[in-house]
Amino acid sequence: QVQLQESGPGLVEPSQTLSLTCTVSGGSISSDAYYWTWIRQHPGKGLEWIGYIYYSGTTYYNPSLKSRVTISVDTSKNHFSLKLSSVTAADTAVYYCARDPRGDNWFDPWGQGTLVTVSS
Amino acid sequence: DIQMTQSPSSLSASVGDRVSITCRASQSITSYLNWYQQRPGKAPQLLIYSASSLQSGVPSRFSGSGSGTDFTLTISGLQPEDFATYYCQQGYSTPHTFGQGSKLEIK
Repeated sequence: QVQLQESGPGLVEPSQTLSLTCTVSGGSISSDAYYWTWIRQHPGKGLEWIGYIYYSGTTYYNPSLKSRVTISVDTSKNHFSLKLSSVTAADTAVYYCARDPRGDNWFDPWGQGTLVTVSS
Repeated sequence: DIQMTQSPSSLSASVGDRVSITCRASQSITSYLNWYQQRPGKAPQLLIYSASSLQSGVPSRFSGSGSGTDFTLTISGLQPEDFATYYCQQGYSTPHTFGQGSKLEIK
């Protein structure tokens, strides 16, 4: 079955850019049936949807983060990526990638998550 | 943005009990409501999609109901592994938003 795995630095300095990659295994990221999604969870808090990308490159971002977020896809490597610029301590969170059946808008499966701490 | 409000935020129950968690949307979301379970240190897992459809592999003691703005997740016959935090999520419009979570603890 499809599995997702996040990877990237666990520590980012303030004002720098957070960069994470989600590698998809057991299925093709080029499927026209899915959106590929990033979600984050602040420590001890709830869940925040960041945005998604379609295999064609179409994206949609949460307006609250839109000015700082870029999601991209590399179909040759079967992965998609998240960049969040000008980070502050408020961006410290566990970042998850997940699959969203296009048009249905639920998330399954999820990656295991990766904690990113913003600190100098 | 559509606001999702869960109640209660926390509850305690015993193994074998039946519990319900409610989720209210700030506007109608028809049946675009999903439920997740999150155990400590783990990623959320989809339990119920489209308000009442049971995700494959999820035990039948989990059920969902509702439409419009009011929804309910019910767990019948609590098992030890069910003590976790539960989140609702609306898929009606972007940005997709989650409830604040309901933590189910052992009494």
